[in-house]
Amino acid sequence: EPEVTQTPSHQVTQMGQEVILRCVPISNHLYFYWYRQILGQKVEFLVSFYNNEISEKSEIFDDQFSVERPDGSNFTLKIRSTKLEDSAMYFCASRLPAVDQPQHFGDGTRLSIL
Amino acid sequence: AQTVTQSQPEMSVQEAETVTLSCTYDTSENNYYLFWYKQPPSRQMILVIRQEAYKQQNATENRFSVNFQKAAKSFSLKISDSQLGDTAMYFCAFTSVGANSKLTFGKGITLSVRP
Repeated sequence: EPEVTQTPSHQVTQMGQEVILRCVPISNHLYFYWYRQILGQKVEFLVSFYNNEISEKSEIFDDQFSVERPDGSNFTLKIRSTKLEDSAMYFCASRLPAVDQPQHFGDGTRLSIL
Repeated sequence: AQTVTQSQPEMSVQEAETVTLSCTYDTSENNYYLFWYKQPPSRQMILVIRQEAYKQQNATENRFSVNFQKAAKSFSLKISDSQLGDTAMYFCAFTSVGANSKLTFGKGITLSVRP
């Protein structure tokens, strides 16, 4: 069964550095999402992406964050200047176009900011 | 804004027994979807079951079933004949009917199945 894949599984970065988290959604999916989960807290929505543009973003998704689908297969989340509070598990998800279709999640990337 | 509440942080059940995980939500919308996702340790979240709000019949998937009470805004998950592989974090999630369909999650509940 096709899966959403995320790399790396764990990223350790110095505060203030840029980081790019990568995701390969399922190939025929058209909606893409990033979520994050700070340790011990809820999974929170960051951003949704469709037709090569952001369709919705949360308050968390400020100017330090950006997303891109550079080549038709990858879907990336960039954090420009990381802060300690960006330490979290980041999940990518994708789904088919029909509204009743569920989101399929990747394994997540654990981001640790030092 | 929608909210999803899972008030039990953890539960434990004996193998082969039945367990019910609770979830409540709040929304002003009339049509939406509810989901239970399972996240085994160090693994991805997997969809367990989903319920469409306009369907009165409770969803069932093998050993998993839900008790959907729309008026009470309650959406509990029943796991019958619990197996060791059911040990995982379980998240209740809500999405409205719309193009973006972002998920709003509860805090999750850790379920341990004892041999």
